[in-house]
Amino acid sequence: GNSVTQMEGPVTLSEEAFLTINCTYTATGYPSLFWYVQYPGEGLQLLLKATKADDKGSNKGFEATYRKETTSFHLEKGSVQVSDSAVYFCALRGNQGAQKLVFGQGTRLTINP
Amino acid sequence: EADIYQTPRYLVIGTGKKITLECSQTMGHDKMYWYQQDPGMELHLIHYSYGVNSTEKGDLSSESTVSRIRTEHFPLTLESARPSHTSQYLCASRITSGETQYFGPGTRLLVL
Repeated sequence: GNSVTQMEGPVTLSEEAFLTINCTYTATGYPSLFWYVQYPGEGLQLLLKATKADDKGSNKGFEATYRKETTSFHLEKGSVQVSDSAVYFCALRGNQGAQKLVFGQGTRLTINP
Repeated sequence: EADIYQTPRYLVIGTGKKITLECSQTMGHDKMYWYQQDPGMELHLIHYSYGVNSTEKGDLSSESTVSRIRTEHFPLTLESARPSHTSQYLCASRITSGETQYFGPGTRLLVL
């Protein structure tokens, strides 16, 4: 079945540092890939998405590129801010069967001033 | 901005009580979902619905039940709450033709 593996957390960085959160997936067919963010006390919000190979999703300075050859969708940001502190989830939706979202285990990110 | 609502946001109850967690969306989405999020953050799909009168169990077995009598409403019920039900419950929805799944703010449940 489909699955998503995320970089183990928690991750702690200083403000203005470069961020990478690794995400790899296993899926049949051509899934769509997503990054969701969960701020403290809130539900999940879509951060960015990519629906086909080599697509780059971007939002709020975050980027991720759909790499089919390495089955990866790593999240990056060049200069993080304290307000980026949150939990980040990588997810995929297959294009066959029930088409449910499959989530990674989440990575907690803390940015120190 | 997603229009999906959950009530209550926080609930503390005693063991054995019956509870219903409410979820409503005003976007006309046909697909709706319930997730249980444990303290380790991992999300588990416990129920989903493809439309009115359609409900399915998710990947994680749950003692809760759901109903979908109206498109906009997808309540989750626990007939007899137990401490093991303590968790955060997240509701979500999307339209079949859309990629994005929208989430409500969640209900944080504590069963004593």
